[in-house]
Amino acid sequence: KNEVEQSPQNLTAQEGEFITINCSYSVGISALHWLQQHPGGGIVSLFMLSSGKKKHGRLIATINIQEKHSSLHITASHPRDSAVYICAVRFMDSNYQLIWGAGTKLIIKP
Amino acid sequence: DAGVIQSPRHEVTEMGQEVTLRCKPISGHNSLFWYRQTMMRGLELLIYFNNNVPIDDSGMPEDRFSAKMPNASFSTLKIQPSEPRDSAVYFCASSLGPLTNYGYTFGSGTRLTVV
Repeated sequence: KNEVEQSPQNLTAQEGEFITINCSYSVGISALHWLQQHPGGGIVSLFMLSSGKKKHGRLIATINIQEKHSSLHITASHPRDSAVYICAVRFMDSNYQLIWGAGTKLIIKP
Repeated sequence: DAGVIQSPRHEVTEMGQEVTLRCKPISGHNSLFWYRQTMMRGLELLIYFNNNVPIDDSGMPEDRFSAKMPNASFSTLKIQPSEPRDSAVYFCASSLGPLTNYGYTFGSGTRLTVV
């Protein structure tokens, strides 16, 4: 069964802390997306990965294909990073369907 | 490019009324997706178009929902008649194509409230 699990479900941290959000999936994938959704609803695509590591500003996304696991890291976190972070996976048996994780609600306190 | 444009941003309607949501994908993107987001069910794929043709509409909840893509630059999602349980945020997303390495761009969503 194609499943995506995210952890933690909720995360509260102080400004400046290093943040890690995890995503695990059940079977082989062709791509993994990290997305951000702010209060008020807009969804922004942060990264799409099929291997290795990507970095954009203070955000870093890694994926380990063998372990079926991806992490999203935020360095020097800031209150404006507060949002829901969603992992979505395209499994190999589907060329367009995304299976969505439940999301991680991140709150960064000043 | 202005990104994926959805309209309206907010819609409040009475039960039984027809609702039409609109989406303009990014120019050159061949794939278009309609998603619905609720607290209970998260993000659900409703329908997927490729080159203006509906490929998979298995996520469309029932016959009250219909979607069209008359050309590469415009799509509509219609609910008729609307019901309170249709209240959700509806997102449109587009992509260069259905293949494995293309990312998605989402619109800002339409928040629908049916009273």
